[in-house]
Amino acid sequence: EPEVTQTPSHQVTQMGQEVILRCVPISNHLYFYWYRQILGQKVEFLVSFYNNEISEKSEIFDDQFSVERPDGSNFTLKIRSTKLEDSAMYFCASSLQGVMNTEAFFGQGTRLTVV
Amino acid sequence: DAKTTQPTSMDCAEGRAANLPCNHSTISGNEYVYWYRQIHSQGPQYIIHGLKNNETNEMASLIITEDRKSSTLILPHATLRDTAVYYCIVRVGLTGGGNKLTFGTGTQLKVEL
Repeated sequence: EPEVTQTPSHQVTQMGQEVILRCVPISNHLYFYWYRQILGQKVEFLVSFYNNEISEKSEIFDDQFSVERPDGSNFTLKIRSTKLEDSAMYFCASSLQGVMNTEAFFGQGTRLTVV
Repeated sequence: DAKTTQPTSMDCAEGRAANLPCNHSTISGNEYVYWYRQIHSQGPQYIIHGLKNNETNEMASLIITEDRKSSTLILPHATLRDTAVYYCIVRVGLTGGGNKLTFGTGTQLKVEL
């Protein structure tokens, strides 16, 4: 069964450093998403991406965050200068169409720890 | 988006049906009901969705009341692996992209022997 894969599974970084979280969405999917979940809290939407541009973003997704689909298969989330409060599980998701018409498939997540 | 209300937690015996309720009394006519679950900090997993008719797939059944103000997710024969947080999400069914999912706190279902 096709799946969304995320690497690394766990990333530890020092405060102020840049991190790139990587995702390989399901190959024929057209819509891509990043969500995050701080330990013990809700899953929060960060950004959605379609046709090589951001289609929607949340208040969390400020100038420190960026997304890119560099090569037609990978989908990356970059945090420019990490803060302690960026520590969370980051989930990538993809869907064939807009998520309200079909299911969104989520990866297993990257646990980001900022120290 | 319509707000949903779910019980914080529920228990179910293995092999029995798990019935998870969701109230969405402010739902609009073009809003769908979606169910996802999250097993112990893994990525959320889609279960089922519906507009007004009852729906069934290999994982579960979704029963939506006639006035659409509430719904019930039914796992017909719960197993220990169904222990998870179950999220009921209501959202407009648009045809475009960028339709985010807004997760609440969900219901923690614990399936026990």
